[in-house]
Amino acid sequence: DVKVTQSSRYLVKRTGEKVFLECVQDMDHENMFWYRQDPGLGLRLIYFSYDVKMKEKGDIPEGYSVSREKKERFSLILESASTNQTSMYLCASRKLMGPGGSPLHFGNGTRLTVT
Amino acid sequence: GQQLNQSPQSMFIQEGEDVSMNCTSSSIFNTWLWYKQEPGEGPVLLIALYKAGELTSNGRLTAQFGITRKDSFLNISASIPSDVGIYFCAGPSGTYKYIFGTGTRLKVLA
Repeated sequence: DVKVTQSSRYLVKRTGEKVFLECVQDMDHENMFWYRQDPGLGLRLIYFSYDVKMKEKGDIPEGYSVSREKKERFSLILESASTNQTSMYLCASRKLMGPGGSPLHFGNGTRLTVT
Repeated sequence: GQQLNQSPQSMFIQEGEDVSMNCTSSSIFNTWLWYKQEPGEGPVLLIALYKAGELTSNGRLTAQFGITRKDSFLNISASIPSDVGIYFCAGPSGTYKYIFGTGTRLKVLA
């Protein structure tokens, strides 16, 4: 079974702090993604990485950056946390195979609260 | 962002009943995915569909890829209390992006 592990289930941070969210997958997947999920807005793509050291902006990249130094690990960084970044953050990965790729597999999520 | 239309938005059913939900798109998809998400958890993949007309089962769950390629259906037979959660569909939009459904919230009354 694919396992996508997010390092923290719950985080509480103060406004202005630098925040690191870590995600590790164990299935040698090329593609990794960071989403945030908010009520009424669904899942929104922040950043994705199609391979090691590669990254692309998603639909809402402002205020975020990412790092992918190793294939299995994809980190989301909030440079200076703000209260509007309070959200559920979901990491996902997939194996790229053909048009559309294989299914996304999600981690358990990190509930981030910025006070 | 763009979302797929799912219906119904929510369902309250009795344990043992069958459940049907669907997902529609304005554009053609070559893949349909169905996920379940429980409160405070990440979405879990239930079924992946890759071919128009395909019918795939996973235990009490059955999903179908519509022949128009613009819709998909998920059925749950003989529901049980642990079926509670939000079910949503997803389809690829380009090489790396996905569009997600608005979700169907299921509650099962014992």
